[in-house]
Amino acid sequence: SAVISQKPSRDICQRGTSLTIQCQVDSQVTMMFWYRQQPGQSLTLIATANQGSEATYESGFVIDKFPISRPNLTFSTLTVSNMSPEDSSIYLCSVQNSYNEQFFGPGTRLTVL
Amino acid sequence: GENVEQHPSTLSVQEGDSAVIKCTYSDSASNYFPWYKQELGKRPQLIIDIRSNVGEKKDQRIAVTLNKTAKHFSLHITETQPEDSAVYFCAAATTAGNKLTFGGGTRVLVKP
Repeated sequence: SAVISQKPSRDICQRGTSLTIQCQVDSQVTMMFWYRQQPGQSLTLIATANQGSEATYESGFVIDKFPISRPNLTFSTLTVSNMSPEDSSIYLCSVQNSYNEQFFGPGTRLTVL
Repeated sequence: GENVEQHPSTLSVQEGDSAVIKCTYSDSASNYFPWYKQELGKRPQLIIDIRSNVGEKKDQRIAVTLNKTAKHFSLHITETQPEDSAVYFCAAATTAGNKLTFGGGTRVLVKP
C-alpha cells in the first residue's frame, strides 16, 4: 500500500494564528481526504481534496477556516486558519485506492493555546 | 446523510475469549463497510472490510458479518490477545460517493 507522510507531526500554536499541514503520498492517488479526530473521539471528514479544483467540504466545515490545496496527485495541504483552542485536535489525511480502501497518514497533533 | 451507530463504546474481555462489536447504518445505498483499529497514539489501520455482495468475510481471527436488510454489520474477534487491545471503528460508504462515515468507536481491553 501507499506510504503516506504528514508534516508537522505535532505543533503548539497560539490562538489567532494559522497552521498548514502537508500530506505527501509516494504514489499517485485520485482521492485524498482530510479528517479531524478530536481527543477521545471518532473521525470526522472535513473535506475531499480534489486535484485541480476546489475541495468539497462537509457540513460544518468551510473553506475560509480550512483552506485546502491539491496541486497534484501526490500532495495536499490543509490550513487551519485563525485558530482557537477548539481547533486542538488530530488532523489526518487519507488516500483511497482503486478498491475504495482508505489508508491514513500518521496524523498531525495540534494544540492551540 | 449517512449515520453510523456503534456499540458498545467499551468492551473488556478475558484473553482467549471472543469480542463482538456491532454497528448500524442508516443509508440503504451504503455498500462498503470497513473496520479500523487504532492503537494509542497511532493512525487508524484498516483491518478488514466487507462489501454488500457478501454476508460474511473472515481473516484469521477476525470476521465481519453484514445484514443489509437490517442495516447492521458486526466485527468478531476470536481468541483475543492482549495486542488486540485498541479502539476499533466501523465505517460505511457508498462506493460511488467514496466518503467514509465513522461510528463512535469501541475501546477494547483484553485482560491477560
